[in-house]
Amino acid sequence: QAVVTQEPSLTVSPGGTVTLTCGSSTGAVTSGHYPYWFQQKPGQAPRTLIYDTSTKQSWTPARFSGSLLGGKAALTLSGAQPEDEGEYYCSLLYSGARGFGGGTKLTVL
Amino acid sequence: QVQLVQSGAEVKKPGASVKVSCKASGYTFTDYHIHWVRQAPGQGLEWMGWINPNSGDTKYAQKFQGGVTMTRDTSISTAYMELSSLRSDDTAMYYCMRTWGYWGQGTLVTVSS
Repeated sequence: QAVVTQEPSLTVSPGGTVTLTCGSSTGAVTSGHYPYWFQQKPGQAPRTLIYDTSTKQSWTPARFSGSLLGGKAALTLSGAQPEDEGEYYCSLLYSGARGFGGGTKLTVL
Repeated sequence: QVQLVQSGAEVKKPGASVKVSCKASGYTFTDYHIHWVRQAPGQGLEWMGWINPNSGDTKYAQKFQGGVTMTRDTSISTAYMELSSLRSDDTAMYYCMRTWGYWGQGTLVTVSS
C-alpha cells in the first residue's frame, strides 16, 4: 500500500510565502494521481482548496495555488494570513483508491 | 448549491454495527462518486472507500474490506456507509465527500461499552 508523505509542520510569517509538498512512496507524483489539497481547522470538517492538481474550488482564496514540483504535488500559499493557520492534508489517487498524507500543521507567526 | 447532509451522532456498543447516511442536493446524485473518510480523535484523515451512485459499484480501502458496506438509494439521493463489528478504535468522525471535494458536516460515531 502506497504511503503519502507531507511535512509534519511548517511556519510562515504573515504576508510570506510557503510551499507544502505531497510525495508518494511509489515514485513521482503526476497529474494521474489527481492530487487534492484540504484545509482543516480545529472542530471543523475539512475544506477542499484544490483538486486535480491545480483546480481551485469556488471558495478557495486566490493566494492558494496547486502544482507539481520536483516529483511532488505542491500547495503554495502566497501572502499568508493569520486565518490560514491550520492543518493541511493532501490526497492522491492510486488505481481508484485514495490515500491521505499525515497532514502538515501550518503556523502563521 | 451542492450540499451533503449527514445523519446524527451515534453511540454504539462494541460488536454492533452503525449505518451513516449522506443526503445529497444541488446536483445530479448519480453523476459523481461519493467517498467516505474518517478521522479518529486527534488523528489524520483516513479514506475508507467510494461508491458510484449510478452503478452501485464500490471500492473499499484494503483495511476496511469485509467490514464496511457502501450503498445508495437514488430515489432519495442518499448514500450510506455501514460499518460492522465495531471496536473502540472505530470511534471517529465519519465524513462523506463528493468528487471535487464537497464535504458533509460529519457524523460522530462513538463505540463504548
